[in-house]
Amino acid sequence: ELKVEQNPLFLSMQEGKNYTIYCNYSTTSDRLYWYRQDPGKSLESLFVLLSNGAVKQEGRLMASLDTKARLSTLHITAAVHDLSATYFCAVGGGSNYKLTFGKGTLLTVNP
Amino acid sequence: GAGVSQSPSNKVTEKGKDVELRCDPISGHTALYWYRQRLGQGLEFLIYFQGNSAPDKSGLPSDRFSAERTGESVSTLTIQRTQQEDSAVYLCASSKSTGDSNQPQHFGDGTRLSIL
Repeated sequence: ELKVEQNPLFLSMQEGKNYTIYCNYSTTSDRLYWYRQDPGKSLESLFVLLSNGAVKQEGRLMASLDTKARLSTLHITAAVHDLSATYFCAVGGGSNYKLTFGKGTLLTVNP
Repeated sequence: GAGVSQSPSNKVTEKGKDVELRCDPISGHTALYWYRQRLGQGLEFLIYFQGNSAPDKSGLPSDRFSAERTGESVSTLTIQRTQQEDSAVYLCASSKSTGDSNQPQHFGDGTRLSIL
């Protein structure tokens, strides 16, 4: 059974600081997705990572995938308050349809 | 429509009642997914549809849960004889197909279900 672990689950940081969220998964996969969820809202797709060594950047967020280590990272550069949200990683299994989600990382960026 | 639409947005009902949740996927999306999100938890996969067929129902928690999809469009998730542990946010997502990994699943805002 595929298991996905995120850490930390809670992250409080100051504006301007850098930090990394980690996503480990238990079985081989080459499909990993990062989503953002604001309170009471739906999940917004941030990144799709499909191969070992894939790196994608959007604004202050950068995601990478190491399929050999079964690890993805979401790096936050010079955080701003607007980045406050819950971030989920999700890993694809044998078929694209089934995603296994981590528990999410609640990020709070303090002014 | 522009995005995945779910209704109702909130549902409060008494234990033992049946509830029906609706999902309108993005137009043209052949794949549709249902997830459950308990408070403070990640998403739990329930079922998916490719077209009107549901090849994998193994995520449904019990036989009180059922889902159908018609016209390769609207889907309904039905929970019979609701229990308090059914309280959660039920999220629907759609994607262009299940075969293209590059296509992320697009989520609706969810239905917040509360069982009294």
